Amino acid sequence: AQTVTQSQPEMSVQEAETVTLSCTYDTSESDYYLFWYKQPPSRQMILVIRQEAYKQQNATENRFSVNFQKAAKSFSLKISDSQLGDAAMYFCAYRSARMGGATNKLIFGTGTLLAVQP
Amino acid sequence: NAGVTQTPKFRILKIGQSMTLQCTQDMNHNYMYWYRQDPGMGLKLIYYSVGAGITDKGEVPNGYNVSRSTTEDFPLRLELAAPSQTSVYFCASGPGTVYEQYFGPGTRLTVT
Repeated sequence: AQTVTQSQPEMSVQEAETVTLSCTYDTSESDYYLFWYKQPPSRQMILVIRQEAYKQQNATENRFSVNFQKAAKSFSLKISDSQLGDAAMYFCAYRSARMGGATNKLIFGTGTLLAVQP
Repeated sequence: NAGVTQTPKFRILKIGQSMTLQCTQDMNHNYMYWYRQDPGMGLKLIYYSVGAGITDKGEVPNGYNVSRSTTEDFPLRLELAAPSQTSVYFCASGPGTVYEQYFGPGTRLTVT
């Protein structure tokens, strides 16, 4: 079974600085997708960034980028120029690329609570 | 598009009571999911559906039931509420291919 581990329960960053959130995962599959979701106090789950395992190039979305190391099964999120609105719980999630049913489910880590200091 | 909507936003139940959490999506997605999020944890899959009339169990289905009579709606039923079901419940939908899932705003349920 696949697992996702986030070893940093809490992180803090100064406004305008850069922070990296760690995520490791375990799987025997070769094709899968990885996601970072943001959950602000409103509880809404917001997709931040997605990475396809077959792509070697790291995904980027504006100030958010990932460092995807497939061999090491590592998927870290880098937030540049941190803003107060980035404060939230961040979840790393895994999804199999196999089609059908429960294989489409997302497997979540336990989350990292990010505080942004003004 | 409203996306995925959930009602109610909050609910307090007494032990043994029943209730239905409503979920509706207007994106014509075939796949729908119910997750629960316990304090300090990630989300865990309760039930899922790959289309109208088809449902199946996820990781933590005990104490819940679902139905999927239409593409849009995927209600989650709690028959005999227990304190262990105190959690935040998220409904999600997706086209079932490579794309991400879209989440509703969640329902915070407390069972006392």
